Amino acid sequence: DIVMTQSPDSLAVSLGERATINCKSSQSVLYSSNNKNYLAWYQQRPGQPPNLLIYWASTRESGVPDRFSGSGSGTDFSLTISSLQAEDVAVYYCQQYFTTPRTFGQGTKVEIK
Amino acid sequence: EVQLLESGGGLVQPGGSLRLSCAASGFTFSSYAMSWVRQAPGKGLQWVSGISSSGESTDYADSVKGRFTISRDNSKNTLYLQMNSLRAEDTAVYYCAKGRGGEIKYYFDYWGQGTLVTVSS
Repeated sequence: DIVMTQSPDSLAVSLGERATINCKSSQSVLYSSNNKNYLAWYQQRPGQPPNLLIYWASTRESGVPDRFSGSGSGTDFSLTISSLQAEDVAVYYCQQYFTTPRTFGQGTKVEIK
Repeated sequence: EVQLLESGGGLVQPGGSLRLSCAASGFTFSSYAMSWVRQAPGKGLQWVSGISSSGESTDYADSVKGRFTISRDNSKNTLYLQMNSLRAEDTAVYYCAKGRGGEIKYYFDYWGQGTLVTVSS
């Protein structure tokens, strides 16, 4: 199985400041034939189901604010919130869909400082 | 508007069975792969099982293989998860999730609100 490891486990950021979450996969999730990274990011607010933010490592889902961005390739990825808003308080998960079983990172909790 | 409504959760004794359902609406159900993803209380997300749009291909996490069976009825726009030989470690909220494409390999673009399964004596 591909193990997804996120860092940090939790993060406290002031409103309007930048938040960056890292995700490392135990093997590459880059498919050479199409040059796509099979990596998604989800946001889970308290008491809610997960919500898709980013797919193919850097493509923002329709309706997701542009303060959310994804980057990285191969085994190292990051999710950046450029200017943290109150509604961004949530747990964020990365997920690989390169191979089965689809695996998630352990989650990163983002709070307001 | 895409809607996924899970049902069938509840309290069951170890070794028991339960069948979850997910009623889908707002999209062409028969065109998309579907999955079940679970979340134990206070824990992270774990993919459980997936099924292709036609139902011909299925896939399972090792932890449920041989105990759980995923299926779908495209005429009823409904996804199912038959869970047998339940264990305490199966206790979780079970989410129904829609894949972006017809094959199981895609990410999940819509999720239901989840149904809680509690395995306890």
